[in-house]
This record gives sequence, C-alpha cells and structure tokens, in this order.
Amino acid sequence: DAGVTQSPTHLIKTRGQHVTLRCSPISGHKSVSWYQQVLGQGPQFIFQYYEKEERGRGNFPDRFSARQFPNYSSELNVNALLLGDSALYLCASHSGAGGPAGYEQYFGPGTRLTVT
Amino acid sequence: EDKVVQSPLSLVVHEGDTVTLNCSYEVTNFRSLLWYKQEKKAPTFLFMLTSSGIEKKSGRLSSILDKKELSSILNITATQTGDSAIYLCAVEAYDMRFGAGTRLTVKP
Repeated sequence: DAGVTQSPTHLIKTRGQHVTLRCSPISGHKSVSWYQQVLGQGPQFIFQYYEKEERGRGNFPDRFSARQFPNYSSELNVNALLLGDSALYLCASHSGAGGPAGYEQYFGPGTRLTVT
Repeated sequence: EDKVVQSPLSLVVHEGDTVTLNCSYEVTNFRSLLWYKQEKKAPTFLFMLTSSGIEKKSGRLSSILDKKELSSILNITATQTGDSAIYLCAVEAYDMRFGAGTRLTVKP
C-alpha cells in the first residue's frame, strides 16, 4: 500500500508570494495533520483535519490555512511568505478521529520550502 | 505551556553499544507518547505508549513510559550504523508536541 504522499518535493518562492502544498493520506486514513520543521528542531504542529473539519490548530498566524477534501487529501496554504517560513513541511495521517491518541500516525516525505 | 524535552541532544557511540534516549514532558491532558526515527525527511513511526500500554519492544528497540515521572526512555541495544538518525519524541495532548530530537551517531 502507498504511504502518505506529498507534493511538490521542493519549492522555491519569493517573499510575499503564496504557496499551496498537497498531501494524500494512506488509504483508509481520514485524518491529516500538518507540521512545520525548521532545521535543528522537532516538527511543530500547524493543523489537524478529520472528515473535512478542522480538529486542531497550532500557534501559527492566519497566513496559514488548510482544508481537507472529500477524498481525505489535504492542502496547506501559506500567504504573504516570509523568510522564516522556510522549512520542511510534513503531512501525517492516521485512521482515527480527534487527536492521534490510540492511533499510529504516519508521515509523508515532506515538502522543502525555501523562501528567498 | 506544554513542553517536551529530549536528552541528550546528541550522542556518539560505537557499533554494539547500548544507548538510552530520554524524553520528559509537561503537558495538560496527556493522551499518548510517540517515538519516531528521522533519517532524511519523513519521521518513521517506532512506538506509541499510552496509559494502557506503557512498554513496547521491537527487535533491538524498546521503550517505557513512566507516567509518574512524566517521562519515557527509548533503548537501543547492539547498535548498528543504520541506527544513526535523529530520534524524536512527541506527546499528544490538546495537540501534538515534539521535542527537539536526539541526534544519534553510531560509528563502525
């Protein structure tokens, strides 16, 4: 079975632009979470979606938004990009509702975003 | 504020050594603790520990959750060069909070 997939793999953007990152969960998984990982740090939680509804939001500005589609795939959008948005963006999926407690969460390969 | 602290931040050992990685946490509404191995990009799931499952083992890796001490350890026995990676601890409460990771280097 295919794991979590993300696209694109790499992306270079200019300050002020916006970006859309995409994620497809493991087949059968209804929950998708997004994380930002800056070099040298652990992943930082951005959003969680389950059944197209937002179930959790981390401490990120409103420039960050996301949505989940009927097929459970998800998009992360970032507007008005700043240099500090340069990071690895990870998507993870699991099968349960709410938080991943009790469910093993699996990560995709990530999208490396560079803002110049 | 919820926080997860891992120690040590980095560790260098030789093949065959046994290592213990530590994770301590202070969170409200603890639900589970997860360990991941990150080599290049995607963190790979290792273990999930909850109140009903405080000890897990898989091959040379094992992990224990101490809810009284609010901590967990990840043990790796008979280390191999392929164990070289960053090991991440995450705690799920109201959200998922990760530690900064422990960078393990295993030398031949």
